[in-house]
Amino acid sequence: DGGITQSPKYLFRKEGQNVTLSCEQNLNHDAMYWYRQDPGQGLRLIYYSQIVNDFQKGDIAEGYSVSREKKESFPLTVTSAQKNPTAFYLCASSSKGAGNGLLNQPQHFGDGTRLSIL
Amino acid sequence: QKEVEQNSGPLSVPEGAIASLNCTYSDRGSQSFFWYRQYSGKSPELIMSIYSNGDKEDGRFTAQLNKASQYVSLLIRDSQPSDSATYLCAVRLLTGGGNKLTFGTGTQLKVEL
Repeated sequence: DGGITQSPKYLFRKEGQNVTLSCEQNLNHDAMYWYRQDPGQGLRLIYYSQIVNDFQKGDIAEGYSVSREKKESFPLTVTSAQKNPTAFYLCASSSKGAGNGLLNQPQHFGDGTRLSIL
Repeated sequence: QKEVEQNSGPLSVPEGAIASLNCTYSDRGSQSFFWYRQYSGKSPELIMSIYSNGDKEDGRFTAQLNKASQYVSLLIRDSQPSDSATYLCAVRLLTGGGNKLTFGTGTQLKVEL
């Protein structure tokens, strides 16, 4: 089945530790995104990538890092510099569309990873 | 002013009624608008997209867009208890660039028996 797979579903981080959240898609989508959601709040964009080997910071990139070595994969590392990492992390992807179609393409989400501090 | 604003609710409607969810946005040049449904503890699921002024219907859902007034709304007819969820409005702001979406904080809908 086509879709977006995030793993693990739950993750615990010890103080001073870096942790990596996985996001894989088999939808052949060009663009991928990472969001953070805190309780009772909307989604905030961490990083996004529109093509392989290129990515841009979102609104809250500090304390996070990403890579985009393959079209299918966009892992997110939560570094020890991120002092308040407890949140629900959502990965999304979207297709390019034709012409200005990129601007009209919706984003589709994986099931998310819940990260907590030990 | 927030870029995308929604009333957090909860909005309570009786089963079978019409639920009306509203969203306003700050950027007049915004082009694409999306409604997502998010059940508690789950990820957002796309319900509707709308790009032109007017109404767009899909089953029990109708999205309405008024670019001059900078608002987009979602109507849910014949509301069911299974519609109880948080509804997120997402806007592709002109100032955002690329395919970035800006999300509202969501409106919690409760459909009561």
